[in-house]
Amino acid sequence: EAGVAQSPRYKIIEKRQSVAFWCNPISGHATLYWYQQILGQGPKLLIQFQNNGVVDDSQLPKDRFSAERLKGVDSTLKIQPAKLEDSAVYLCASSLGVRGARGYTFGSGTRLTVV
Amino acid sequence: TQLLEQSPQFLSIQEGENLTVYCNSSSVFSSLQWYRQEPGEGPVLLVTVVTGGEVKKLKRLTFQFGDARKDSSLHITAAQPGDTGLYLCAGAPYYGQNFVFGPGTRLSVLP
Repeated sequence: EAGVAQSPRYKIIEKRQSVAFWCNPISGHATLYWYQQILGQGPKLLIQFQNNGVVDDSQLPKDRFSAERLKGVDSTLKIQPAKLEDSAVYLCASSLGVRGARGYTFGSGTRLTVV
Repeated sequence: TQLLEQSPQFLSIQEGENLTVYCNSSSVFSSLQWYRQEPGEGPVLLVTVVTGGEVKKLKRLTFQFGDARKDSSLHITAAQPGDTGLYLCAGAPYYGQNFVFGPGTRLSVLP
């Protein structure tokens, strides 16, 4: 079974620039999550999709972050404009159930550095 | 607000030693998961515990969920360099809610 695919693996941008990350979840997983993991911390949920609808985006900084999952499969997370404090690893995960009771399957992440 | 605390924050031991890491909260969790994250990779699920007092074993790893479902421990017997990584616990505050992650314990097992 193919895992969760993410790209790019690394990205370095200057502050105020924009950046986009892509994720393709495990086939058949209806629920997709984007997490932000700052160095030394655990992953923090940014947004959760069930098929192509948003279930939870309460911790997404909506003034600069946006995400979409138009066809209920792959997803894109965008930051515009980026700030220094956005430097982190952005992890995509998927799960069979709505709330991850059977666990989340994570991709390898995108390491973003904002300079 | 950090719902979950993990201790120790860092742990460096020699191959063959035993260790225990802890996950604590003042809140009750309906279930709790443990993940291991290796450098440059995403977290990988190790176990899910749902019943207070539950003990699960995965080869050399033993997981325990506290009776009150507020804490959990992970014990590793005869640690190996391959056990090196960040160990994360994640708790679901209520049934049907998303899991919230703790800050992790970074383990280094030296050969």
